[in-house]
Amino acid sequence: TQLLEQSPQFLSIQEGENLTVYCNSSSVFSSLQWYRQEPGEGPVLLVTVVTGGEVKKLKRLTFQFGDARKDSSLHITAAQPGDTGLYLCAGNALGDYKLSFGAGTTVTVRA
Amino acid sequence: NAGVTQTPKFQVLKTGQSMTLQCAQDMNHNSMYWYRQDPGMGLRLIYYSASEGTTDKGEVPNGYNVSRLNKREFSLRLESAAPSQTSVYFCASSEQGGGETQYFGPGTRLLVL
Repeated sequence: TQLLEQSPQFLSIQEGENLTVYCNSSSVFSSLQWYRQEPGEGPVLLVTVVTGGEVKKLKRLTFQFGDARKDSSLHITAAQPGDTGLYLCAGNALGDYKLSFGAGTTVTVRA
Repeated sequence: NAGVTQTPKFQVLKTGQSMTLQCAQDMNHNSMYWYRQDPGMGLRLIYYSASEGTTDKGEVPNGYNVSRLNKREFSLRLESAAPSQTSVYFCASSEQGGGETQYFGPGTRLLVL
């Protein structure tokens, strides 16, 4: 059983549509990170959220950390083919030195 | 500034063979990690090293050993490879642990027959 549950596992949408990826847990996290991974490469950090209720924007990507710091979401507005990739959430639970990763959401944006 | 480098990129082993995966970082980071990535499982931590001279088990350490050779290098050894160890292996580093950004290498794709 993974500490962080991501949904959906796969998402295929048309260019210009919006999408949301969810990351949920029963544990409280000190911080939560979102990474994007492209085929054949390692994950690359997109954002870190630290404060409950925090919202961060990165161009067309909006990240939200739940008030109770147990969940997070990633929303992409007007998706483009360049947004295609595997999106991973990761968090360090309170008092834990290590990061735990979700299983990932594979996003495909069709032109 | 190469970041995190891993060798080899690909490897095919027969069951029972041994090999060492090499990882080096040039960012002067204290912490280094080894993960494996399998379809539908995300990244699972094998071992980590919080600082030079220390190593600790992660979630899936069985069948692996590690060495933190110096601050830059962290190697992962498979003493007797098994088909269940077929996976993509990623090395990562961070300045410290916890919620610090982790920087990943490009991965090593390992197939054990």
